Amino acid sequence: AQSVTQLGSHVSVSEGALVLLRCNYSSSVPPYLFWYVQYPNQGLQLLLKYTSAATLVKGINGFEAEFKKSETSFHLTKPSAHMSDAAEYFCAVSKTGGFKTIFGAGTRLFVKA
Amino acid sequence: GAGVSQSPSNKVTEKGKDVELRCDPISGHTALYWYRQSLGQGLEFLIYFQGNSAPDKSGLPSDRFSAERTGGSVSTLTIQRTQQEDSAVYLCASSLGRDQETQYFGPGTRLLVL
Repeated sequence: AQSVTQLGSHVSVSEGALVLLRCNYSSSVPPYLFWYVQYPNQGLQLLLKYTSAATLVKGINGFEAEFKKSETSFHLTKPSAHMSDAAEYFCAVSKTGGFKTIFGAGTRLFVKA
Repeated sequence: GAGVSQSPSNKVTEKGKDVELRCDPISGHTALYWYRQSLGQGLEFLIYFQGNSAPDKSGLPSDRFSAERTGGSVSTLTIQRTQQEDSAVYLCASSLGRDQETQYFGPGTRLLVL
């Protein structure tokens, strides 16, 4: 069975500081991994996805994530936080040949001025 | 091109009443998904459609929940005899239908059962 664990339901950073949102997954087969962002009162939108090509994946708005098989991790980073990055972030996993996507519980990012 | 739309955006109902939530996917997307997002929770998978068929109904929480999709397009999620614990945001997403494809989400329907 697949599962996703996001460490930290809330993360607070100062504007300009590094953003690090943690995600660990479990999957019995090579996974597809996703990060989605949800702004207040909106649906989710894709930030980036890993589909077994390059292990370092670059997404929109300056975010990137690195797939580390040995650590079963897919942490999301951004070098310098902006106020507009304040939102909820969801890590998700699906498997080859499957359509069911499992989402983590989400991490709410706060950015302080 | 229009994105995924959902209606109504907000629904307040009384316990015991039935509700219908509608999802219009992106044109050409064969896969359609329903999720439930409760306060402070992640996304709970409810059901997925490939065309008009639903190969995976494993996430429906009880037999009060049902969903259908007609013409490979619009989908309706029906909750019968609503309970207060059904209060949540119901999100719909669609994708091109291949497993690694990005899901495009609608804005959700916020359901409140009094």
